[in-house]
Amino acid sequence: EAQVTQNPRYLITVTGKKLTVTCSQNMNHEYMSWYRQDPGLGLRQIYYSMNVEVTDKGDVPEGYKVSRKEKRNFPLILESPSPNQTSLYFCASISENTGELFFGEGSRLTVL
Amino acid sequence: GENVEQHPSTLSVQEGDSAVIKCTYSDSASNYFPWYKQELGKRPQLIIDIRSNVGEKKDQRIAVTLNKTAKHFSLHITETQPEDSAVYFCAARGGADGLTFGKGTHLIIQP
Repeated sequence: EAQVTQNPRYLITVTGKKLTVTCSQNMNHEYMSWYRQDPGLGLRQIYYSMNVEVTDKGDVPEGYKVSRKEKRNFPLILESPSPNQTSLYFCASISENTGELFFGEGSRLTVL
Repeated sequence: GENVEQHPSTLSVQEGDSAVIKCTYSDSASNYFPWYKQELGKRPQLIIDIRSNVGEKKDQRIAVTLNKTAKHFSLHITETQPEDSAVYFCAARGGADGLTFGKGTHLIIQP
């Protein structure tokens, strides 16, 4: 089954404790991205990657890092989480054929 | 970069009536315009999309129209049903930097 898988789905952490949200897709898509969703603000792109070893900042990259060492994986790293990073995070990949964006199930992160 | 505005933020309609959600975009190079539906606690799911070489597209009760000159596109849902209640997002994409989303419309279907 074609899917985007992200983990963990839920996480409560404390300020300053580094964490990584993993993302993996099995559709061989070159393009992957991370979004955060906040009430009233919609979906805002954090980082995206057009291929292995190629990453670029989206609209709200501050406080986040990403890496793309393999085509299927695109982890999101919060080196020193802060409460304003409490949000619902979605990983996604894009089909080069159709342009459709496929979302993971989401990761709800709370930073205390 | 691209900027997408979406209106209204909340829309309440009677069951069986039609619902229309409107979006505008800023980048004239954008050529792909999808609509996503997000039910409570779930991920957004693509419901319909349109490309810049087409003015209108229909899929059963859902239709999308695109006016490239005015840089706006709309989602039309006819004969609304309770299961249409959700948050709807429009998006636009032109260059290589992925999809830019509107802020979403909470559609409420009143019985």
